[in-house]
Amino acid sequence: DVKVTQSSRYLVKRTGEKVFLECVQDMDHENMFWYRQDPGLGLRLIYFSYDVKMKEKGDIPEGYSVSREKKERFSLILESASTNQTSMYLCASSEPGMLETQYFGPGTRLLVL
Amino acid sequence: AQSVTQLDSQVPVFEEAPVELRCNYSSSVSVYLFWYVQYPNQGLQLLLKYLSGSTLVKGINGFEAEFNKSQTSFHLRKPSVHISDTAEYFCAVSQVRKLIFGAGTRLAVHP
Repeated sequence: DVKVTQSSRYLVKRTGEKVFLECVQDMDHENMFWYRQDPGLGLRLIYFSYDVKMKEKGDIPEGYSVSREKKERFSLILESASTNQTSMYLCASSEPGMLETQYFGPGTRLLVL
Repeated sequence: AQSVTQLDSQVPVFEEAPVELRCNYSSSVSVYLFWYVQYPNQGLQLLLKYLSGSTLVKGINGFEAEFNKSQTSFHLRKPSVHISDTAEYFCAVSQVRKLIFGAGTRLAVHP
């Protein structure tokens, strides 16, 4: 079974802090994604990566950056957390050539005070 | 750009009753369509997908969906729901290198 793990299930940070969310997948997937999930808005794509050191902006990249130094790990960075970044963050991965079938981690619920 | 509309934000239903969760998409080209389920405090899990072929797609847990190109719809159905089907359901459509998700439908199954 594909396993996508996220470093924290719950996280509380203060405004202005730098926040790192880590995601690791164990199936050698080339494609990885970061979404945020908000009530009534569904999932919105923040960034995705289709190879090591490659990244592309999604629909809402403002205020976020990403890092992919190794194939299995994709990090989401909030350079200076703000209260409007309080949300559920979901990581996903997919096989090469099967971009559409994404496998999701359990999510990190981030609260920025 | 493609978009997905899930017509109901919440659907309450009694146990063992049938249910339909509605999804419409906007696209004039061939698409791949998906339904994902999110159980409380979990990530998303693929229920079923339509890539090509038969317009009736069967998924896990007794769910099925029908692709209707003329109505640009991909509605999800189950003939008899269980309490354990209580979850949020997301419809999604493919767009180059990405998935576009609907806002979600919260299915609440009552005893």
